[in-house]
Amino acid sequence: DTGVSQNPRHKITKRGQNVTFRCDPISEHNRLYWYRQTLGQGPEFLTYFQNEAQLEKSRLLSDRFSAERPKGSFSTLEIQRTEQGDSAMYLCASSENRGVNTEAFFGQGTRLTVV
Amino acid sequence: RKEVEQDPGPFNVPEGATVAFNCTYSNSASQSFFWYRQDCRKEPKLLMSVYSSGNEDGRFTAQLNRASQYISLLIRDSKLSDSATYLCVVHNFNKFYFGSGTKLNVKP
Repeated sequence: DTGVSQNPRHKITKRGQNVTFRCDPISEHNRLYWYRQTLGQGPEFLTYFQNEAQLEKSRLLSDRFSAERPKGSFSTLEIQRTEQGDSAMYLCASSENRGVNTEAFFGQGTRLTVV
Repeated sequence: RKEVEQDPGPFNVPEGATVAFNCTYSNSASQSFFWYRQDCRKEPKLLMSVYSSGNEDGRFTAQLNRASQYISLLIRDSKLSDSATYLCVVHNFNKFYFGSGTKLNVKP
């Protein structure tokens, strides 16, 4: 399977714990995005990378959230001191950088439940 | 104001019906437009890009009206398997902005 891969698929954690998610993009894609989706809403932008550089972060991304893409390949999203409001589907997407009509391809997501 | 707005539906239609969804976007400088399909508890999947001249892919037709800043999706001869949430997506300034989705239920 050469699509975007995310793991774990599901994570249940207790409030206050730290969690880390991993995303492996499509190999030739230099752009990688993290989104968060809650029930009944569309995905909301969190952050994106071009190669290893994190170029933009949403105001949704509090200081408890950090993302890295150290070698410009896979990325990790860490949430520290999780809160119940962090429960959501975390989606990773990747795309090429070829200007207009560049579509994004999504991984299957990591569903986080904070209890 | 949200970047992308869609009617959440649901649209309940019989098999074989034609159904149309619209969405509006707020940033006139937006560069690219897409429709994605999302099944329950699954990831969004690209359905089609939307080009300025309009484009068709089988039973699906997408149109873009830049002057009015809206995008449409027409589905002809609806199938049961078309039941899903359809997300309108706008790409600008290196980010993809999603609408909240329009839910379609196709009934036998």
